[in-house]
Amino acid sequence: SQKIEQNSEALNIQEGKTATLTCNYTNYSPAYLQWYRQDPGRGPVFLLLIRENEKEKRKERLKVTFDTTLKQSLFHITASQPADSATYLCALDKAGTALIFGKGTTLSVSS
Amino acid sequence: GAVVSQHPSRVICKSGTSVKIECRSLDFQATTMFWYRQFPKQSLMLMATSNEGSKATYEQGVEKDKFLINHASLTLSTLTVTSAHPEDSSFYICSARSGQGGIVSGNTIYFGEGSWLTVV
Repeated sequence: SQKIEQNSEALNIQEGKTATLTCNYTNYSPAYLQWYRQDPGRGPVFLLLIRENEKEKRKERLKVTFDTTLKQSLFHITASQPADSATYLCALDKAGTALIFGKGTTLSVSS
Repeated sequence: GAVVSQHPSRVICKSGTSVKIECRSLDFQATTMFWYRQFPKQSLMLMATSNEGSKATYEQGVEKDKFLINHASLTLSTLTVTSAHPEDSSFYICSARSGQGGIVSGNTIYFGEGSWLTVV
């Protein structure tokens, strides 16, 4: 069955450092991979989408990589701020079907 | 930008009663909407895919007679939890894809703010 793993449930870093979150998947060939932010008690908010033929995508302080050989995506937040503290979800998007989510990694950025 | 609205945001109901949650796409037409549930510290689990004008497609293990989904228009889908029990207490989230002419892969998916259901 399809499986998505995000490397850790929690990640604690200091303000100004780069946060790196990992998403691995098995038994799946997604056309797209998406990253979302979810704050406690709220719905997910879309951050970035990367296509299977793209290696890297950037948006302001965010960077996503997608390695279909390793079946892995890395999500980076540079110059992290306390306001970046949230749960980050990766989601696989096969082709017009629903997204399949990982459990998420809760990032805490301390000042 | 596109917005998906859910109502109510919080609801408390008595065991054995039914509760309806609405999901509306406010400025785009959504031929397909998706319903998820999320338990604390868990992932979003897809419950069903709701297609406008046709029956919903339920994921394995989701009781279609308990979780009634209606998608009567291109901007509204409803989830009714029938004969609710305390174990149905959860965070229910809907989402919809924007895009022209039905589902287009890679189009942004917008999520509602979620609905907290507590069954007492």
